[in-house]
Amino acid sequence: QSVLTQPPSVSGAPGQRVTISCTGSSSNIGAGYDVHWYQQLPGTAPKLLIYGNSNRPSGVPDRFSGSKSGTSASLAITGLQAEDEADYYCQSYDSSLSGSNVFGTGTKVTVL
Amino acid sequence: QVQLQESGPGLVKPSQTLSLTCTVSGGSISSGSYYWSWIRQPAGKGLEWIGRIYTSGSTNYNPSLKSRVTISVDTSKNQFSLKLSSVTAADTAVYYCARVRGIPSLNWFDPWGQGTLVTVSS
Repeated sequence: QSVLTQPPSVSGAPGQRVTISCTGSSSNIGAGYDVHWYQQLPGTAPKLLIYGNSNRPSGVPDRFSGSKSGTSASLAITGLQAEDEADYYCQSYDSSLSGSNVFGTGTKVTVL
Repeated sequence: QVQLQESGPGLVKPSQTLSLTCTVSGGSISSGSYYWSWIRQPAGKGLEWIGRIYTSGSTNYNPSLKSRVTISVDTSKNQFSLKLSSVTAADTAVYYCARVRGIPSLNWFDPWGQGTLVTVSS
């Protein structure tokens, strides 16, 4: 039931910059609802990475940044490190689904 | 620092009811006007929001699961619970509990429990 679409995978060499897109619609991101991002390392629970489109919780490196425009949002990782290899999910709210929270399809980041 | 821990049977038979509990430690479940949520993830797949509960007992559920889901809270035990009825193999997943931050239309999840695997099989 993923209504937010992400690329299945992105990759980059250490030190490079990668971006992950999260595409929604007029009932979620396009309606002005915030987008949040989570990092899921292998075998672990998701961890909050970005909240409110572009805010980093304490302890999250400033290599991670988020933005939103129109019906899409993006997560950028600059200075890619081996420890960034993980799955990343966006999340928002959808007014057409009785007030449901919705997640993106997920993106696997591979560090080459 | 608030921590969450899921508990419950790891194996449930088809057509039966899945029951899980999330125990909150490091703070009162009633303080701070938080919502509390359940989220699940089938193996190798993405995340699916199941529902949320406020400490007053007010709930919201994913429409795709609404007919089978009940989330409740026990403030005296600092716990909230999930019941999912008439389960099938499609309900096999890792189930996470999480604290909800922000108002419902703007909310995010932090922190999360470590997750518990529930397998539906006879």
